[in-house]
Amino acid sequence: SQQGEEDPQALSIQEGENATMNCSYKTSINNLQWYRQNSGRGLVHLILIRSNEREKHSGRLRVTLDTSKKSSSLLITASRAADTASYFCATDGTSGSRLTFGEGTQLTVNP
Amino acid sequence: DAGVIQSPRHEVTEMGQEVTLRCKPISGHDYLFWYRQTMMRGLELLIYFNNNVPIDDSGMPEDRFSAKMPNASFSTLKIQPSEPRDSAVYFCASSSLQGNSPLHFGNGTRLTVT
Repeated sequence: SQQGEEDPQALSIQEGENATMNCSYKTSINNLQWYRQNSGRGLVHLILIRSNEREKHSGRLRVTLDTSKKSSSLLITASRAADTASYFCATDGTSGSRLTFGEGTQLTVNP
Repeated sequence: DAGVIQSPRHEVTEMGQEVTLRCKPISGHDYLFWYRQTMMRGLELLIYFNNNVPIDDSGMPEDRFSAKMPNASFSTLKIQPSEPRDSAVYFCASSSLQGNSPLHFGNGTRLTVT
Protein backbone atom coordinates (compact mmCIF):
# COMPACT_ATOMS: atom_id res chain seq x y z
CA SER A 1 0.00 0.00 0.00
CA GLN A 2 1.10 3.57 -0.55
CA GLN A 3 3.02 5.02 2.37
CA GLY A 4 2.33 8.65 1.54
CA GLU A 5 -0.92 10.32 0.64
CA GLU A 6 -1.00 13.78 -0.86
CA ASP A 7 -3.68 16.36 -0.36
CA PRO A 8 -5.25 17.89 -2.36
CA GLN A 9 -5.36 15.60 -5.36
CA ALA A 10 -5.55 18.63 -7.65
CA LEU A 11 -4.84 22.31 -7.16
CA SER A 12 -5.36 25.17 -9.60
CA ILE A 13 -3.99 28.63 -8.87
CA GLN A 14 -2.99 31.84 -10.64
CA GLU A 15 0.57 32.75 -11.41
CA GLY A 16 2.16 34.60 -8.51
CA GLU A 17 0.09 32.85 -5.85
CA ASN A 18 1.51 30.38 -3.36
CA ALA A 19 0.76 26.66 -3.62
CA THR A 20 0.66 24.36 -0.62
CA MET A 21 0.55 20.60 -0.88
CA ASN A 22 0.33 18.20 2.03
CA CYS A 23 1.52 14.67 2.56
CA SER A 24 0.60 12.21 5.27
CA TYR A 25 2.29 8.91 5.96
CA LYS A 26 1.70 5.95 8.19
CA THR A 27 4.93 4.61 9.67
CA SER A 28 8.10 6.08 11.12
CA ILE A 29 10.60 7.36 8.59
CA ASN A 30 14.26 8.22 8.16
CA ASN A 31 13.52 10.96 5.69
CA LEU A 32 10.87 12.31 3.38
CA GLN A 33 11.44 13.47 -0.16
CA TRP A 34 9.43 15.56 -2.62
CA TYR A 35 9.51 15.02 -6.36
CA ARG A 36 8.04 16.79 -9.38
CA GLN A 37 6.82 15.11 -12.54
CA ASN A 38 6.12 17.00 -15.72
CA SER A 39 3.76 15.41 -18.18
CA GLY A 40 5.40 12.59 -20.10
CA ARG A 41 8.63 12.76 -18.11
CA GLY A 42 10.29 11.03 -15.21
CA LEU A 43 10.22 12.27 -11.65
CA VAL A 44 12.70 14.91 -10.60
CA HIS A 45 13.92 15.21 -7.04
CA LEU A 46 13.16 18.53 -5.37
CA ILE A 47 14.13 18.32 -1.72
CA LEU A 48 14.87 15.84 1.07
CA ILE A 49 14.08 16.47 4.72
CA ARG A 50 15.37 14.20 7.45
CA SER A 51 13.26 13.01 10.34
CA ASN A 52 15.16 15.22 12.79
CA GLU A 53 14.54 18.35 10.73
CA ARG A 54 11.41 20.47 10.93
CA GLU A 55 11.82 22.83 8.00
CA LYS A 56 13.93 23.14 4.91
CA HIS A 57 14.18 25.71 2.13
CA SER A 58 15.40 25.54 -1.43
CA GLY A 59 14.79 28.57 -3.61
CA ARG A 60 11.04 29.10 -3.81
CA LEU A 61 10.38 25.78 -2.08
CA ARG A 62 9.71 25.37 1.62
CA VAL A 63 9.15 21.96 3.17
CA THR A 64 8.00 21.28 6.69
CA LEU A 65 7.90 17.99 8.53
CA ASP A 66 5.88 17.11 11.62
CA THR A 67 6.81 13.60 12.71
CA SER A 68 4.32 13.66 15.58
CA LYS A 69 1.51 14.08 13.06
CA LYS A 70 3.25 12.04 10.38
CA SER A 71 2.77 14.82 7.88
CA SER A 72 4.72 17.12 5.61
CA SER A 73 3.90 20.11 3.49
CA LEU A 74 5.46 21.57 0.37
CA LEU A 75 5.02 25.28 -0.23
CA ILE A 76 5.87 26.84 -3.58
CA THR A 77 5.97 30.60 -3.34
CA ALA A 78 5.33 33.04 -6.19
CA SER A 79 4.26 30.25 -8.49
CA ARG A 80 4.95 30.29 -12.22
CA ALA A 81 3.25 28.59 -15.13
CA ALA A 82 6.34 26.37 -15.41
CA ASP A 83 5.56 24.95 -11.96
CA THR A 84 2.59 23.13 -13.49
CA ALA A 85 3.28 19.46 -12.77
CA SER A 86 2.43 16.61 -10.44
CA TYR A 87 4.12 16.63 -7.06
CA PHE A 88 4.82 13.49 -5.05
CA CYS A 89 6.06 12.83 -1.58
CA ALA A 90 8.09 9.70 -0.90
CA THR A 91 9.16 8.02 2.32
CA ASP A 92 11.70 5.34 3.11
CA GLY A 93 10.76 3.87 6.49
CA THR A 94 13.20 3.48 9.39
CA SER A 95 14.33 0.06 8.23
CA GLY A 96 15.89 1.73 5.25
CA SER A 97 13.47 -0.12 3.07
CA ARG A 98 12.31 0.84 -0.34
CA LEU A 99 11.17 4.35 -1.16
CA THR A 100 7.41 4.45 -1.61
CA PHE A 101 5.48 7.25 -3.27
CA GLY A 102 2.14 8.87 -2.60
CA GLU A 103 -0.51 9.37 -5.25
CA GLY A 104 0.55 12.91 -6.05
CA THR A 105 -0.98 16.37 -6.31
CA GLN A 106 -1.62 17.76 -9.78
CA LEU A 107 -0.76 21.46 -9.67
CA THR A 108 -1.92 23.78 -12.43
CA VAL A 109 -0.61 27.34 -12.45
CA ASN A 110 -2.61 29.55 -14.78
CA PRO A 111 -0.75 32.42 -16.48
CA ASP B 1 26.10 13.36 -16.89
CA ALA B 2 23.58 11.88 -19.33
CA GLY B 3 21.17 10.83 -16.62
CA VAL B 4 19.27 7.55 -16.53
CA ILE B 5 18.58 6.35 -20.05
CA GLN B 6 15.64 4.13 -20.87
CA SER B 7 14.66 2.51 -24.13
CA PRO B 8 12.41 2.34 -25.95
CA ARG B 9 10.35 5.43 -25.09
CA HIS B 10 7.22 3.84 -26.43
CA GLU B 11 6.35 0.22 -27.03
CA VAL B 12 3.15 -1.09 -28.55
CA THR B 13 2.75 -4.83 -28.69
CA GLU B 14 0.09 -7.46 -28.94
CA MET B 15 -1.03 -9.61 -26.07
CA GLY B 16 1.15 -12.68 -25.68
CA GLN B 17 4.29 -11.09 -27.06
CA GLU B 18 7.51 -10.73 -25.13
CA VAL B 19 8.50 -7.20 -24.12
CA THR B 20 11.95 -6.11 -23.01
CA LEU B 21 12.57 -2.73 -21.44
CA ARG B 22 16.09 -1.43 -21.03
CA CYS B 23 17.81 0.89 -18.61
CA LYS B 24 21.24 2.44 -18.26
CA PRO B 25 21.73 3.93 -14.79
CA ILE B 26 23.94 6.85 -13.90
CA SER B 27 27.55 5.78 -13.71
CA GLY B 28 28.67 5.17 -10.13
CA HIS B 29 25.19 4.61 -8.73
CA ASP B 30 24.95 1.42 -6.71
CA TYR B 31 21.17 1.11 -6.62
CA LEU B 32 18.77 0.56 -9.49
CA PHE B 33 15.00 0.55 -9.21
CA TRP B 34 12.17 -0.40 -11.56
CA TYR B 35 8.83 1.33 -10.98
CA ARG B 36 5.52 1.07 -12.76
CA GLN B 37 3.09 3.99 -12.95
CA THR B 38 -0.62 3.71 -13.70
CA MET B 39 -3.57 5.96 -13.02
CA MET B 40 -5.20 3.32 -10.84
CA ARG B 41 -2.26 2.33 -8.66
CA GLY B 42 0.14 5.24 -8.93
CA LEU B 43 3.87 4.50 -8.67
CA GLU B 44 4.67 0.95 -7.62
CA LEU B 45 8.14 -0.37 -6.91
CA LEU B 46 8.63 -3.61 -8.82
CA ILE B 47 12.20 -4.57 -7.93
CA TYR B 48 15.48 -3.02 -6.92
CA PHE B 49 19.13 -4.01 -7.21
CA ASN B 50 22.18 -3.18 -5.15
CA ASN B 51 25.53 -3.70 -6.84
CA ASN B 52 23.79 -5.70 -9.59
CA VAL B 53 22.16 -8.09 -7.10
CA PRO B 54 18.34 -8.18 -6.79
CA ILE B 55 17.45 -7.23 -3.23
CA ASP B 56 13.68 -7.01 -3.16
CA ASP B 57 11.43 -8.31 -5.93
CA SER B 58 8.27 -8.51 -3.85
CA GLY B 59 6.65 -5.88 -6.06
CA MET B 60 6.95 -7.96 -9.21
CA PRO B 61 3.32 -8.74 -10.00
CA GLU B 62 3.75 -12.30 -11.20
CA ASP B 63 6.11 -14.78 -12.81
CA ARG B 64 5.57 -13.20 -16.20
CA PHE B 65 7.84 -10.39 -15.02
CA SER B 66 11.58 -10.80 -14.68
CA ALA B 67 14.45 -8.36 -14.27
CA LYS B 68 18.18 -8.71 -14.66
CA MET B 69 21.20 -6.56 -14.11
CA PRO B 70 24.16 -8.29 -15.80
CA ASN B 71 26.52 -5.40 -15.05
CA ALA B 72 26.61 -2.02 -13.36
CA SER B 73 25.61 -0.14 -16.49
CA PHE B 74 22.66 -2.12 -17.78
CA SER B 75 19.38 -3.60 -16.61
CA THR B 76 16.39 -5.16 -18.34
CA LEU B 77 12.79 -5.73 -17.34
CA LYS B 78 11.10 -8.45 -19.32
CA ILE B 79 7.43 -9.36 -19.56
CA GLN B 80 6.60 -12.69 -21.13
CA PRO B 81 3.85 -13.14 -22.15
CA SER B 82 2.48 -9.61 -22.03
CA GLU B 83 -1.16 -8.85 -21.20
CA PRO B 84 -3.30 -5.72 -21.70
CA ARG B 85 -3.27 -5.05 -17.94
CA ASP B 86 0.51 -4.61 -18.15
CA SER B 87 -0.05 -1.35 -20.04
CA ALA B 88 1.64 1.37 -17.99
CA VAL B 89 4.65 3.63 -17.90
CA TYR B 90 7.71 1.82 -16.59
CA PHE B 91 10.42 3.88 -14.95
CA CYS B 92 13.96 3.03 -14.11
CA ALA B 93 15.73 5.03 -11.41
CA SER B 94 19.16 4.92 -9.83
CA SER B 95 20.74 6.32 -6.71
CA SER B 96 24.04 6.28 -4.90
CA LEU B 97 22.58 5.30 -1.52
CA GLN B 98 19.14 3.90 -0.92
CA GLY B 99 16.81 5.89 1.25
CA ASN B 100 19.20 8.70 2.03
CA SER B 101 19.83 10.13 -1.38
CA PRO B 102 17.59 11.18 -4.24
CA LEU B 103 16.43 8.86 -6.94
CA HIS B 104 17.29 9.86 -10.48
CA PHE B 105 14.59 8.75 -12.88
CA GLY B 106 14.68 8.04 -16.57
CA ASN B 107 11.90 9.37 -18.77
CA GLY B 108 10.15 6.03 -18.79
CA THR B 109 8.87 3.56 -21.32
CA ARG B 110 5.18 3.83 -22.16
CA LEU B 111 3.98 0.29 -22.80
CA THR B 112 0.72 -0.43 -24.54
CA VAL B 113 -0.41 -4.03 -24.86
CA THR B 114 -3.36 -4.55 -27.20
